[in-house]
Amino acid sequence: GAVVSQHPSRVICKSGTSVKIECRSLDFQATTMFWYRQFPKQSLMLMATSNEGSKATYEQGVEKDKFLINHASLTLSTLTVTSAHPEDSSFYICSARDGRLAGINEQFFGPGTRLTVL
Amino acid sequence: AQKITQTQPGMFVQEKEAVTLDCTYDTSDQSYGLFWYKQPSSGEMIFLIYQGSYDEQNATEGRYSLNFQKARKSANLVISASQLGDSAMYFCAMREGLRTGRRALTFGSGTRLQVQP
Repeated sequence: GAVVSQHPSRVICKSGTSVKIECRSLDFQATTMFWYRQFPKQSLMLMATSNEGSKATYEQGVEKDKFLINHASLTLSTLTVTSAHPEDSSFYICSARDGRLAGINEQFFGPGTRLTVL
Repeated sequence: AQKITQTQPGMFVQEKEAVTLDCTYDTSDQSYGLFWYKQPSSGEMIFLIYQGSYDEQNATEGRYSLNFQKARKSANLVISASQLGDSAMYFCAMREGLRTGRRALTFGSGTRLQVQP
């Protein structure tokens, strides 16, 4: 199956700093990548949809100036949490869509990044 | 209204027994896909099984099968011969189709399955 990596897997930062999370599709080109957030004991909630070469589409209630998404190539999308605060502490998971598989299981998840803001 | 509803926050099953995890969904689309994922404590999302709305046969993947009842809008996951390694969080998810063009998944609240020896 297709492989998606995320880096870092775990990050601890001080309040007010910015953190960048990378999501890479390793063996396929991903025209679309998705960023999800999961708070403890809760479900995955979509934050934004990222298309290569265009601006990300954010879900209602997600601050685009706080969660900066860049999808500069067909294999890399980045999520930058700017001026992070303790309430941003969460598990962030990306998924990448392999357009060749449209109609079936086309999304592949990264292993996630656990962000802790002190 | 909730798009995906999982009414069982937690389930217990004896090792080697079968267990059914419930999932109901709500969509007005004719074309959609239903998924089940397993999330162990490590956090990774492991794809288990997929059912397309036009698939007439229930999907099966090894010990996993999906009991798809389209008229009732339910897509229950059946795990046969439970193993200790099946203990994890299980999420039902839906991808709605052509009308919205939306490719993202909508997840249910999850069911925590614990397999007892």
